[in-house]
Amino acid sequence: QVQLHQWGAGLLKPSETLSLTCVAKGGSFSGHHWTWIRQAPGKGLEWIGDITFSGSTVYNPSLKSRVTISKDTSKSQFSLKLNSMTAADTAVYYCARRQVRTDWFDPWGQGTPVTVSS
Amino acid sequence: IVLTQSPATLSLSPGERATLSCRASQSVSGSLAWYQQKPGQAPRLLIYDSSSRATGIPARFSGSGSGTDFTLTISSLEPEDFAVYYCQQRTDWLFTFGPGTTVDIK
Repeated sequence: QVQLHQWGAGLLKPSETLSLTCVAKGGSFSGHHWTWIRQAPGKGLEWIGDITFSGSTVYNPSLKSRVTISKDTSKSQFSLKLNSMTAADTAVYYCARRQVRTDWFDPWGQGTPVTVSS
Repeated sequence: IVLTQSPATLSLSPGERATLSCRASQSVSGSLAWYQQKPGQAPRLLIYDSSSRATGIPARFSGSGSGTDFTLTISSLEPEDFAVYYCQQRTDWLFTFGPGTTVDIK
């Protein structure tokens, strides 16, 4: 059963770049899509983007100009970069798996709280 | 597509039935899923394809609906069910979540 573990810097200054990585343990990596989702404090969930099993990426239009999702299949890892961070990007960031030909996310990583503050 | 969830808060006692609604602004072309989130935890998939229970989810959780109207029902609330519930859909290449319904203890 796959488990996701994520890490990255949790405190950034405005204009810096967020960098998070997620590793999938205990299951197949190459045959699935991989996703980043965030949740601002006290708010709901916002899909950031996917990297598909074939390596193509799809991003939320609201973040598309600032987001890059990549993966390293040899390490069963995928990563998120979000540049030009502002206080509005303060959130808990989650990684998740989306199986091919499905529309839902399962499982999720434990979440990484990210604060943007000068 | 915008998802609206109602009520925003549902105050019930253990053993009672909970009925949560998720309404889409347009017909959902993909499938609809439901998640449970407890404080300090990541969301957990409960229901996918509107009515299929995810692995390990108790039978007291059920989902129904199609088109624009979907329902999550918890037949008899257990103490561990008090949490926030989100619906989620995909249309084209955009995934969106509803704002959530909080089920709290009356």
